[in-house]
Amino acid sequence: EAGVTQFPSHSVIEKGQTVTLRCDPISGHDNLYWYRRVMGKEIKFLLHFVKESKQDESGMPNNRFLAERTGGTYSTLKVQPAELEDSGVYFCASSQDLGGRRLDTQYFGPGTRLTVL
Amino acid sequence: GDSVTQMEGPVTLSEEAFLTINCTYTATGYPSLFWYVQYPGEGLQLLLKATKADDKGSNKGFEATYRKETTSFHLEKGSVQVSDSAVYFCALGGGSYIPTFGRGTSLIVHP
Repeated sequence: EAGVTQFPSHSVIEKGQTVTLRCDPISGHDNLYWYRRVMGKEIKFLLHFVKESKQDESGMPNNRFLAERTGGTYSTLKVQPAELEDSGVYFCASSQDLGGRRLDTQYFGPGTRLTVL
Repeated sequence: GDSVTQMEGPVTLSEEAFLTINCTYTATGYPSLFWYVQYPGEGLQLLLKATKADDKGSNKGFEATYRKETTSFHLEKGSVQVSDSAVYFCALGGGSYIPTFGRGTSLIVHP
C-alpha cells in the first residue's frame, strides 16, 4: 500500500511568487491534515479536511494560504503571494478513523521543503 | 494554549549509550501523549504513545511514562544504535485537542 505522498519535495521561490503544494493521502483515508514546521520550531497544525470539507482551519496563518481538496482525494495548499516567513517544511498526514483529530492514527508524508528568497 | 517543550539538540551519543530526551507539556485536562520519529527523507512515524497518567508507552526499546504530577513524558532508551539517529518529536493530542508538537530533538549516534 502506498503511503502519503507529497509533491514537490523541495521548492525554492522568490518573495511575491505563488507556490502550490500537493498531498496525496492514502487511498480511502477521509481525513487529511496539513502541518508546517518553520526551521527549528514546532510542527504547527494548519488545517483538517474530512473528505472535501474543511473541518478545522484554525491553524491557517493568514489569507495568503488557501487549501483545497476537491473531490475528497488529493489536496493542494497554495501560498500566494509567498513571504520570507513562509519558509519551512510542510507536512501532510491522512487517517481513516471517524473520530476526528486522533494523532496516533495519522500517517505522515515526507514533507515539502519550501524556501522563499 | 496547549504547548509542548522538549530539550534542544542535537544530542550526540556513542553507540550503546543511555538516551534521555526530556519533554514537558502544558494543557488543560489530560491529553494523550506521543513520541514521533523522523528518519532522514521520511515522514514522521509514531514511535509510542500513552493515553492516561502513569501509562508507559514502549516500542523498539524506547519507552516513556506519562507523568501527570510533573506534566512530563520523557523518552528513554537503554542502549542506542547508530540506526536510531533521527529527529524525535514529542506531541500531545487526542479527543478535542489540536495536535501540538514540540520543536524536535536531533539524535546523532556515533559507532
